[in-house]
Amino acid sequence: GQQVMQIPQYQHVQEGEDFTTYCNSSTTLSNIQWYKQRPGGHPVFLIQLVKSGEVKKQKRLTFQFGEAKKNSSLHITATQTTDVGTYFCAGSPGANNLFFGTGTRLTVIP
Amino acid sequence: NAGVTQTPKFQVLKTGQSMTLQCAQDMNHEYMSWYRQDPGMGLRLIHYSVGAGITDQGEVPNGYNVSRSTTEDFPLRLLSAAPSQTSVYFCASGLAGPENTIYFGEGSWLTVV
Repeated sequence: GQQVMQIPQYQHVQEGEDFTTYCNSSTTLSNIQWYKQRPGGHPVFLIQLVKSGEVKKQKRLTFQFGEAKKNSSLHITATQTTDVGTYFCAGSPGANNLFFGTGTRLTVIP
Repeated sequence: NAGVTQTPKFQVLKTGQSMTLQCAQDMNHEYMSWYRQDPGMGLRLIHYSVGAGITDQGEVPNGYNVSRSTTEDFPLRLLSAAPSQTSVYFCASGLAGPENTIYFGEGSWLTVV
């Protein structure tokens, strides 16, 4: 069945350091979405990538979609304490449903 | 515009009891779904619906029933609660189609003792 793996599971960084989380799918995806969940909160949509090799930026966040549309990454430059939370990728093989990765929990040490 | 509303926020059940988690959205979304979130396992899809009268199973449907009698509502029913169903449950909705984002409710924390 559909599997979306995400690494690392946890990441502790000093404030100001960079952070990257990686997402890999067992099958080709029609699109990949990224969500952020603050502690005690619910997942909130960040961005969607659709095209092979696509790169999108949101301020300090850079998102990439692999050429084969089976992997993706999220890179945060110069982390801040407001970046704390769990980042999930979610992929769709083409149907309505999103299959979520296991998430990367980011802790930022001031 | 309230978005996706889930009730209750917290619930404690005894093993064998049944209950319904309510979910309503006011965005006229065709797609609605239920996920459960357990530590280290991300979000797993329980059931989903692409419109009124249409429901289907996700990754982990056993022990749960759903119905979609209206566009707005998508309740999740636990038939006979088990400790393994202790989890955080999220309802989500969105426009139908794989390239549409989904919007989550605030979650329902369920403990089965």
